[in-house]
Amino acid sequence: AQTVTQSQPEMSVQEAETVTLSCTYDTSESDYYLFWYKQPPSRQMILVIRQEAYKQQNATENRFSVNFQKAAKSFSLKISDSQLGDAAMYFCAYRSRTGTASKLTFGTGTRLQVTL
Amino acid sequence: DSGVTQTPKHLITATGQRVTLRCSPRSGDLSVYWYQQSLDQGLQFLIQYYNGEERAKGNILERFSAQQFPDLHSELNLSSLELGDSALYFCASSVSPRPTDTQYFGPGTRLTVL
Repeated sequence: AQTVTQSQPEMSVQEAETVTLSCTYDTSESDYYLFWYKQPPSRQMILVIRQEAYKQQNATENRFSVNFQKAAKSFSLKISDSQLGDAAMYFCAYRSRTGTASKLTFGTGTRLQVTL
Repeated sequence: DSGVTQTPKHLITATGQRVTLRCSPRSGDLSVYWYQQSLDQGLQFLIQYYNGEERAKGNILERFSAQQFPDLHSELNLSSLELGDSALYFCASSVSPRPTDTQYFGPGTRLTVL
């Protein structure tokens, strides 16, 4: 079974600064997807960014980018030019590319605070 | 707004009771997933349906059941409720069960068992 670990329960960043959230995962599969979801106080789960394991290039979405290290099974999220609206829980998630089940397996989350 | 709707938003009930949570997927989406978010267990996959058929089961208790109807909406039934069932229940939908298809989450139903 796959597991996802987020070792930082809480992080804090000043507005306009850059912060990196860590995620590691364990799997015996070679083909899979990795995701970062954001959960603001409204509780809505919002997809931030997605990475296909077969792609060596790191995914980027505006101010959000990832550092995907497949051999190390590491998948960190970098938020540049942090904004107050970035304050939320961030969840790292894994999804197998094979088999019939396409469930998401989530980490425990990192709470990000953004200060002035 | 993801296009996935869930009702009710909040539900308060007592131990031993039974409740039904409803989910309407995005227009065109055939696959529905249910997840539970609790303080103890974090975010966990419960069950998946595709076009009316059960596709995969996760950590779903025997007291819980679900189904997807011909109009593609889904219901999650929780019975003999316990205090530990208090959680946020999310429904997500995707076009198909293929891993390439993004899952879009609804706003969730917050269940409180007293």
